[in-house]
Amino acid sequence: GENVEQHPSTLSVQEGDSAVIKCTYSDSASNYFPWYKQELGKGPQLIIDIRSNVGEKKDQRIAVTLNKTAKHFSLHITETQPEDSAVYFCAASPQAGTALIFGKGTTLSVSS
Amino acid sequence: SAVISQKPSRDICQRGTSLTIQCQVDSQVTMMFWYRQQPGQSLTLIATANQGSEATYESGFVIDKFPISRPNLTFSTLTVSNMSPEDSSIYLCSVGNGGNTEAFFGQGTRLTVV
Repeated sequence: GENVEQHPSTLSVQEGDSAVIKCTYSDSASNYFPWYKQELGKGPQLIIDIRSNVGEKKDQRIAVTLNKTAKHFSLHITETQPEDSAVYFCAASPQAGTALIFGKGTTLSVSS
Repeated sequence: SAVISQKPSRDICQRGTSLTIQCQVDSQVTMMFWYRQQPGQSLTLIATANQGSEATYESGFVIDKFPISRPNLTFSTLTVSNMSPEDSSIYLCSVGNGGNTEAFFGQGTRLTVV
């Protein structure tokens, strides 16, 4: 079955810096790669996703890149703000709206 | 987007008892899933709740311990049976419609077993 590895487990940056979180997956049948942000006491919220027919997607300060050949995808957050502090999870599945396999999560801390 | 309501939001239970968690969606959805998130850990899929038939369980999870119902396209329940402290986790309901739609998560049920 699918296995998703996520690095780093913790990431501390200064406000305004960029943050990059990387994930690798094992199953070539995976075609959908979402990123979720989870704040304390809340459920995960989708922040951006990418499908296998796209190499990069951007939404304001957040971007995701996908290298399907190498089976890895990354989340890029630019101009980080304290409110970006949370746990970020990457995930993979054969298609959107189906069961997800999650990475172990990255705790991002943005200090002002 | 789908709005998911989970009840209860949290509970403290005695070992050996059972707790049933409800998941209500504001629109009909094709897929409903239950995940477990142990303290400080990632999300692990427990099962896919199938409307009108038995749920499909992932490796390591069994129906006797986590019975699931899904009587219609907007509602599902997960029961955590014969609880032990190791069952202390956040249990999350997620819904999706397959195709090109994203999966949404409820706020979760924070369960503590004492």
